[in-house]
Amino acid sequence: DAKTTQPPSMDCAEGRAANLPCNHSTISGNEYVYWYRQIHSQGPQYIIHGLKNNETNEMASLIITEDRKSSTLILPHATLRDTAVYYCIVIDFTGNQFYFGTGTSLTVIP
Amino acid sequence: SQTIHQWPATLVQPVGSPLSLECTVEGTSNPNLYWYRQAAGRGLQLLFYSVGIGQISSEVPQNLSASRPQDRQFILSSKKLLLSDSGFYLCAWSGNQETQYFGPGTRLLVL
Repeated sequence: DAKTTQPPSMDCAEGRAANLPCNHSTISGNEYVYWYRQIHSQGPQYIIHGLKNNETNEMASLIITEDRKSSTLILPHATLRDTAVYYCIVIDFTGNQFYFGTGTSLTVIP
Repeated sequence: SQTIHQWPATLVQPVGSPLSLECTVEGTSNPNLYWYRQAAGRGLQLLFYSVGIGQISSEVPQNLSASRPQDRQFILSSKKLLLSDSGFYLCAWSGNQETQYFGPGTRLLVL
């Protein structure tokens, strides 16, 4: 599975959009991009995933570049409860494994 | 709807003692099941995964083992705990949609 690179930490003002970048320059054509988040002392929570097209759900939007080498998770109106570690993962579904890196620690500031 | 349970929530064990952590899933059949460990300040590490009863794949060599005695039950065990086994242990499941859903976790402290 391709590796991902994320900044270790970011801050965002409450009510503003949080844009979390992820590089996955070695991604292959059949690998999906997944985003999870983990609030302290809880299990990771699924946010969104995509293959080629941009995706949006009730939690976030996922923007994938045309060459698929990077993506951005957008939380449109960050709240204090969005403070968490956000993990970007790429996975080929010929296998079953998710490999998590250390993620981006997002702090939403009042 | 599907739910995943883990217990205990917190565990303090002496070095050399045995370990048994349990994970059960409700509301689905024949799930894929996973055990992860998260050491302090580090990312999640996949330990074991299972695609069916009695089928276990190990990702990293260690003194831990896993078993799947029933379709929706996944157990993580050790005969003798090490200090380095301390961490946050997470169970996850996935179905036909490959998205994994995580349980609440077990925090293990080995003293």
